[in-house]
Amino acid sequence: QSVLTQPPSASGTPGQRVIISCSGSSSNIGSNTVNWYQQLPGTAPKVLIYSNNQRPSGVPDRFSGSKSGTSASLAISGLQSEDEADYHCAAWDDSLTGYVFGTGTKVTVL
Amino acid sequence: QVQLVESGGGVVQPGRSLRLSCVASGFTFRNNGMHWVRQAPGKGLEWVADIWYDGSKEYYADSVKGRFTISRDNSKNTLYLQMTSLGAGDTAIYYCARDEWGGMYKVLDYWGLGTLVTVSS
Repeated sequence: QSVLTQPPSASGTPGQRVIISCSGSSSNIGSNTVNWYQQLPGTAPKVLIYSNNQRPSGVPDRFSGSKSGTSASLAISGLQSEDEADYHCAAWDDSLTGYVFGTGTKVTVL
Repeated sequence: QVQLVESGGGVVQPGRSLRLSCVASGFTFRNNGMHWVRQAPGKGLEWVADIWYDGSKEYYADSVKGRFTISRDNSKNTLYLQMTSLGAGDTAIYYCARDEWGGMYKVLDYWGLGTLVTVSS
């Protein structure tokens, strides 16, 4: 089972800002960097944000990440229809000695 | 360009074994750790296992420890996942992913398309 907790869903109209939270503990988010993955319907995940707030080349600057203590968040500004996807946070967990994913958040553009 | 291509999935009876493969190209395979991640139908992502770049260390999720074995052949640019004692809970799409470690961060930066494993009698 997931050790990182995300809201199951989030939604907004085009152009709005959506924020997705990811709650963990001292052994994962509190000790290690957080990554965010976007999974479009029927496709494999792809990295959206790494090292808490870094965007790989090609990822629009509408996507931003932050971390504070044992929580992290992903913000999508200027929401677009192509942003409809599942979003997963993840981090290494020192206690479990493994990589842990969040429960996943489905973003819907209304 | 980096490519990861999984194979070996299929329908398998409960209690049986299966071996998945992931062939890598477009980068120096022996320089990167590798992971297996799975996703049950309609569910979230679950990390399964990872292996260091040289195969010297392996880590497993508790749910597969003792049943699954990750391995690699750097001469063949191939990652493997040997799965034994399979049960219905192992039904999922299995993805292989490349590990990029940047000193202060660790990220699964490239993913394959996945291979579907269905455990059913």
